[in-house]
Amino acid sequence: GAVVSQHPSRVICKSGTSVKIECRSLDFQATTMFWYRQFPKKSLMLMATSNEGSKATYEQGVEKDKFLINHASLTLSTLTVTSAHPEDSSFYICSARALSSHQPQHFGDGTRLSIL
Amino acid sequence: AQKITQTQPGMFVQEKEAVTLDCTYDTSDQSYGLFWYKQPSSGEMIFLIYQGSYDEQNATEGRYSLNFQKARKSANLVISASQLGDSAMYFCAMREALTGTNNLFFGTGTRLTVIP
Repeated sequence: GAVVSQHPSRVICKSGTSVKIECRSLDFQATTMFWYRQFPKKSLMLMATSNEGSKATYEQGVEKDKFLINHASLTLSTLTVTSAHPEDSSFYICSARALSSHQPQHFGDGTRLSIL
Repeated sequence: AQKITQTQPGMFVQEKEAVTLDCTYDTSDQSYGLFWYKQPSSGEMIFLIYQGSYDEQNATEGRYSLNFQKARKSANLVISASQLGDSAMYFCAMREALTGTNNLFFGTGTRLTVIP
């Protein structure tokens, strides 16, 4: 079964709404979680890296106030898209990794966000 | 059951040699797509190659080719003439048409190390 649960799998909402996406590691402690956004050319852009108990590290060009990331526990990270607009519509996916970079990285199933 | 299985957590290859990264998938859907991504140490997920379930020819993109064996449900990535810059994590992924969410299901990845 899945070791990383991402919820919800699909969201459709009105422009101006804030949307929260949860990423949970189910049977391991994820010291590091990654948030990606997929673009039409199929590549996944790393948005930010979050380490439990500390502030997320955002990639260049990603608005920190727009995409709020919280990694409050070793099993849960959340991405909140604040005041979402149609251009935020995309596929967002999280992944989680335990301890060192040599541990396998497990992906959530992703969230399809559609802003009307 | 896991939708994507990558059984090789790590692989080594000599520079200029070819290497095959294994991927098997599980789906009852007739229409699906298979992807390979490369993740360098920077964390970004780089799209490499795509194979549709109805494509009769194996996909090729430069030094990358996908050995698609539908009956065996395998989609192995072949990298020819390996280069030092190919050292990275490689993820196999699948998208099923029936889910309706266009979610990507990822394997746990294979870490490829190219030896000079």
